[in-house]
Amino acid sequence: DGGITQSPKYLFRKEGQNVTLSCEQNLNHDAMYWYRQDPGQGLRLIYYSQIVNDFQKGDIAEGYSVSREKKESFPLTVTSAQKNPTAFYLCASSTGQTYQETQYFGPGTRLLVL
Amino acid sequence: GENVEQHPSTLSVQEGDSAVIKCTYSDSASNYFPWYKQELGKGPQLIIDIRSNVGEKKDQRIAVTLNKTAKHFSLHITETQPEDSAVYFCAASSPPVQGAQKLVFGQGTRLTINP
Repeated sequence: DGGITQSPKYLFRKEGQNVTLSCEQNLNHDAMYWYRQDPGQGLRLIYYSQIVNDFQKGDIAEGYSVSREKKESFPLTVTSAQKNPTAFYLCASSTGQTYQETQYFGPGTRLLVL
Repeated sequence: GENVEQHPSTLSVQEGDSAVIKCTYSDSASNYFPWYKQELGKGPQLIIDIRSNVGEKKDQRIAVTLNKTAKHFSLHITETQPEDSAVYFCAASSPPVQGAQKLVFGQGTRLTINP
């Protein structure tokens, strides 16, 4: 069953703590993306990666970090520098072959601050 | 950079009626326009997309129209059903200077179908 998985579904962060959100895909896609969704707003791009070992900042990268050591995995770390981390985080992937292609989304991780 | 505006933010229609959601974009170079449906607590799912070389595309009860001159595109849902209730997002993508495709999303429309 192909697709994108995200874990955990819910994540709680304490003040000053770094937390890591997992994103895995078995679609053999080269490109992967992380978005943040706040209530009543659209999706905003945090980071994206075209290929293994390469990634670029999106529109709201401050307070976040990523790695892309494997094609199928693109974990996102929410650092203590992100002062307002409560949001719904969505991972997506695409083939990366054109700029007119579908991005497929995972089920999301809801991050809450204790 | 690209900016996408989506209207209305909420829309309520009677079951069986049609629903229309509109988006405008700012970058005339944008040439790919997907629409996503997001159900509560889930990730967005693509429902239809259109590329700038066509003006309209239909898939059963769903259609999208594109007016490149006016820089706006619209989603049309006919014969609405309760399962159409969700949040709908439009997006636009323009050729990147470098790097991967970047989608810019509208703010979303919460569609409610009343039985």
